[in-house]
Amino acid sequence: AQTVTQSQPEMSVQEAETVTLSCTYDTSENNYYLFWYKQPPSRQMILVIRQEAYKQQNATENRFSVNFQKAAKSFSLKISDSQLGDTAMYFCAFMAYNTDKLIFGTGTRLQVFP
Amino acid sequence: DGGITQSPKYLFRKEGQNVTLSCEQNLNHDAMYWYRQDPGQGLRLIYYSQIVNDFQKGDIAEGYSVSREKKESFPLTVTSAQKNPTAFYLCASSTLGQGPYSNQPQHFGDGTRLSIL
Repeated sequence: AQTVTQSQPEMSVQEAETVTLSCTYDTSENNYYLFWYKQPPSRQMILVIRQEAYKQQNATENRFSVNFQKAAKSFSLKISDSQLGDTAMYFCAFMAYNTDKLIFGTGTRLQVFP
Repeated sequence: DGGITQSPKYLFRKEGQNVTLSCEQNLNHDAMYWYRQDPGQGLRLIYYSQIVNDFQKGDIAEGYSVSREKKESFPLTVTSAQKNPTAFYLCASSTLGQGPYSNQPQHFGDGTRLSIL
C-alpha cells in the first residue's frame, strides 16, 4: 500500500522569504503522479503543482517549484517570495498511474507573517 | 462559472439519523469522489465513481452510501451505522484520461461540515 508522510506539522516564514515543505512517500509502483494541494482557511482544496514520475525535470508554477527525487521517494515544495496569501494547510498527495485514488499526507500548516 | 457545488455548508445530525450531502458539478467530469477530513489527518477516500450508475468503495466506506444516477451529481448519505460522522466532507471531480500518464488532477468543492447534536 502507498503511504505519504509529511513530517512537518507546522512551518512559518517571513513574507518575501523562501520556505521548503517536505514530503516523502512509499510505493512499489514505478509510474505515478505527485501533487501539492493548498487548503486556505476557506477550506477549499486548490491544486498548486503536479509532477509526473517519469519526468526528470522538476515542475514549476510561478513561485512554486518542487524537488523531486525519485530514488529517495522525496517530493518537497519550495515557495519563493512568500506572500501572506500563501498561509494555508499544504497537502502532498500520491496517485498511481491508471488509478483514480489520491493518497494524502497529513498536511503542513504554513504561516506567513509580515 | 464551471465548478463543484456542495451543499449545505454546515449540517447537523441527530443520533440515529441518516443525512445526505449534496455534490453537483458542471465541469462535465466523468469521475467524482468523496473524501472525509479529520483534524490532524489528511483526506481519506470514502467512495468514488468513474461512470454513471457505477461506484467503488474507498478506504473508509463503512457507514456511508452513494448513488450516481446523473453524471453531474454524486450525493453521499451518512447513515446511522457511521459511529463517528463528525468531520469535514469534501467532494471532488476529474476527467478521465486516456492512454498512459494521463491521470487528471481533481477539482474540489468547498466542503460540508457535519456535526452531531
